[in-house]
Amino acid sequence: ETGVTQSPTHLIKTRGQQVTLRCSSQSGHNTVSWYQQALGQGPQFIFQYYREEENGRGNFPPRFSGLQFPNYSSELNVNALELDDSALYLCASSLASGQETQYFGPGTRLLVL
Amino acid sequence: GIQVEQSPPDLILQEGANSTLRCNFSDSVNNLQWFHQNPWGQLINLFYIPSGTKQNGRLSATTVATERYSLLYISSSQTTDSGVYFCAGGSSGNTGKLIFGQGTTLQVKP
Repeated sequence: ETGVTQSPTHLIKTRGQQVTLRCSSQSGHNTVSWYQQALGQGPQFIFQYYREEENGRGNFPPRFSGLQFPNYSSELNVNALELDDSALYLCASSLASGQETQYFGPGTRLLVL
Repeated sequence: GIQVEQSPPDLILQEGANSTLRCNFSDSVNNLQWFHQNPWGQLINLFYIPSGTKQNGRLSATTVATERYSLLYISSSQTTDSGVYFCAGGSSGNTGKLIFGQGTTLQVKP
């Protein structure tokens, strides 16, 4: 157990819909990072939030957006879902942005039909 | 940009055997971590090891930053060690972004 929780665990959507995934960081951690892991691949960095501000972004289109709340929990929103968005979405929390060990949640498995 | 490469891609061991997994990384990496992903998808931190050697039970890791590689040693493997092992690296200019290798899939047979 890493102390990082995610919801929901599984989700099925259809192409064009919108989805919101949630993450609660480990106690005392103010930084949350989101990753997308396609089947058979390593996780890919989507973006990071530090103290409620986006603090770095990977190579993902603007329809991937996020939010961090004052309690440091976070949401990942994906609009206009595409079939290729089917993946395991992982969030990770850390004590601060930068060179810190990141602790991962169990992930949300998203299937887009 | 940051590059992380792992070998071998797949490994099958008999229970009790030892193994070594390798991670090569580009010279912009200064934040090397090893993870184990279990069959349910949970990524477990094994080591945060930008340099030097660390040990935790049957697992140990060594990173030689000057030569840009890291090794993960698994001794006396058990079936519960099965899963995918990832190394991941970040750099000081990337605000905590981790670049993951493609992983090594380990199967330990009883």
